[in-house]
Amino acid sequence: GNSVTQMEGPVTLSEEAFLTINCTYTATGYPSLFWYVQYPGEGLQLLLKATKADDKGSNKGFEATYRKETTSFHLEKGSVQVSDSAVYFCALNLLAGRRALTFGSGTRLQVQP
Amino acid sequence: GAGVSQSPSNKVTEKGKDVELRCDPISGHTALYWYRQSLGQGLEFLIYFQGNSAPDKSGLPSDRFSAERTGGSVSTLTIQRTQQEDSAVYLCASSFSLSNQPQHFGDGTRLSIL
Repeated sequence: GNSVTQMEGPVTLSEEAFLTINCTYTATGYPSLFWYVQYPGEGLQLLLKATKADDKGSNKGFEATYRKETTSFHLEKGSVQVSDSAVYFCALNLLAGRRALTFGSGTRLQVQP
Repeated sequence: GAGVSQSPSNKVTEKGKDVELRCDPISGHTALYWYRQSLGQGLEFLIYFQGNSAPDKSGLPSDRFSAERTGGSVSTLTIQRTQQEDSAVYLCASSFSLSNQPQHFGDGTRLSIL
């Protein structure tokens, strides 16, 4: 079946630190990959996506590259801000077959001033 | 509005009662999804509608759960004879038909079963 594995949280960083949140996946077909973010008290928002190997998704200073050889889609940001504090979810769905998203367990990021 | 709209935002009910949760997707989106977010289980897929095709019900946890989508737009998720383990945030998402199109989520309905 399909699955997504994320690093355990919480991740606590100081403002302006470098962020990496690891995400690896297994899929029975060729997936599209997504990062969603959930700010405190809010719903899920799409952060970025990549639909084929070597694609890089980017948004709000966050980046992730679709690595088919390592089945990974790690999220990175060069300099985090307090406002980035949220829960981050890695997810995939398939080009064919089941369209529902398979989510990782989420990683809570806390950025301290 | 421009986004996915869900109602009610909060629902508290007694064990054994039936509840209905509503989702109004983004205009023009043909695909609609229901998910559940709970502390123990994370984010779980429940059911998926695409146009006039038969829905994918493979994620529904029991026959107490059902959903319909009328006129290809608004959807209602119904939980009959609610149990305490049904307490969760129920999320609706919609997207264009292609699977590589991102799903856009509503703010959810927080359901609490007493």
